[in-house]
Amino acid sequence: QKEVEQDPGPLSVPEGAIVSLNCTYSNSAFQYFMWYRQYSRKGPELLMYTYSSGNKEDGRFTAQVDKSSKYISLFIRDSQPSDSATYLCAMSQDPYNQGGKLIFGQGTELSVKP
Amino acid sequence: NAGVTQTPKFRVLKTGQSMTLLCAQDMNHEYMYWYRQDPGMGLRLIHYSVGEGTTAKGEVPDGYNVSRLKKQNFLLGLESAAPSQTSVYFCASSYSRGFSNQPQHFGDGTRLSIL
Repeated sequence: QKEVEQDPGPLSVPEGAIVSLNCTYSNSAFQYFMWYRQYSRKGPELLMYTYSSGNKEDGRFTAQVDKSSKYISLFIRDSQPSDSATYLCAMSQDPYNQGGKLIFGQGTELSVKP
Repeated sequence: NAGVTQTPKFRVLKTGQSMTLLCAQDMNHEYMYWYRQDPGMGLRLIHYSVGEGTTAKGEVPDGYNVSRLKKQNFLLGLESAAPSQTSVYFCASSYSRGFSNQPQHFGDGTRLSIL
């Protein structure tokens, strides 16, 4: 069983829809949770970062972490065609003892249709 | 403002050949990482370095070697390429082990095919 599980999709939605992307994990030691966005033939770029449980909002994007359920989510409101990309969740334990290593989910491919 | 630059962008090798992938960063970052990305597998850490002259194994290190002789460069070597090493390789760097406002910055990848 992978430490981090993510539905690979692909996920296709109409422009303006609310998108929900999710990851589950098995390692209760994870404390740092990230979402990366990766456009085709490009490297991933950090979209959202959350420490421990709770919500974080940035414009149209909201990240949620539920450590009790070992479940994280990324919500995209008013989705745009420019949001079409692969979204990867990533997690880490204590970075000061782990060299900053990240464990990634498989990535979810999102397509937003005009 | 180049960020993280990977060389080459594409390469085709025959089984048994060797090659070196170069990663260069101009952000004075301490930490550097090599990942591979395969369909359905996400990004998996191969090796990483927490500073000049240091290296450590990641999740999938077998068949690869690395060197960090200069702070700005991180080299990934394949001594005897195998078809299972066909993948997209990403290099990343970060200022420190913390994540708040100090994310890992990625290059645009090297697409490697082993025939």
